[in-house]
Amino acid sequence: NAGVTQTPKFRVLKTGQSMTLLCAQDMNHEYMYWYRQDPGMGLRLIHYSVGEGTTAKGEVPDGYNVSRLKKQNFLLGLESAAPSQTSVYFCASSSRDPFLRAFFGQGTRLTVV
Amino acid sequence: DQQVKQNSPSLSVQEGRISILNCDYTNSMFDYFLWYKKYPAEGPTFLISISSIKDKNEDGRFTVFLNKSAKHLSLHIVPSQPGDSAVYFCAASANAGGTSYGKLTFGQGTILTVHP
Repeated sequence: NAGVTQTPKFRVLKTGQSMTLLCAQDMNHEYMYWYRQDPGMGLRLIHYSVGEGTTAKGEVPDGYNVSRLKKQNFLLGLESAAPSQTSVYFCASSSRDPFLRAFFGQGTRLTVV
Repeated sequence: DQQVKQNSPSLSVQEGRISILNCDYTNSMFDYFLWYKKYPAEGPTFLISISSIKDKNEDGRFTVFLNKSAKHLSLHIVPSQPGDSAVYFCAASANAGGTSYGKLTFGQGTILTVHP
């Protein structure tokens, strides 16, 4: 029972480089999310998806793009990484139940130098 | 504009005593509240939740209290155990109307340390 799996766990990027973070869930959840966690800020929503082929902006979407081509996968892309994007990124998924509780991946620690 | 606030960055308690973690919110549209627990190098895991139609929810050693008029909730852990040492996040969502899609607004987190 893998739940939510994120790839990679760690990454160091140079400013201006691009990368894609992969999230996969095996719980057949409709909703998927990308959050970032910064010291003293809690977790903030970057983008989310309510179903295959749909995406929407969250609280801090600038500098990121997402895609959900398959129900079980949610990709987060950084086209031109900036030091301000140094953070821990968490993917989560949840069902369409009235009282939704999200299940989180183990996180990706990204450093942009 | 922090809609969910946890004003205590850290809390230290003795094993066996009660831990009380606090959370305040400003958005009156929030109607569902959750607590997540996070160990280092792991993702947050769901702990307990409460709907705005209730003022208390209990699950074993964990109880969450909601005071809607004060826009305040608290998590009580009794008795506290060393394994409870972690970061605790309060989160809220606005589900009425069915358009929240499970989006959560988190507090900053409180680091709980339980000493043996």
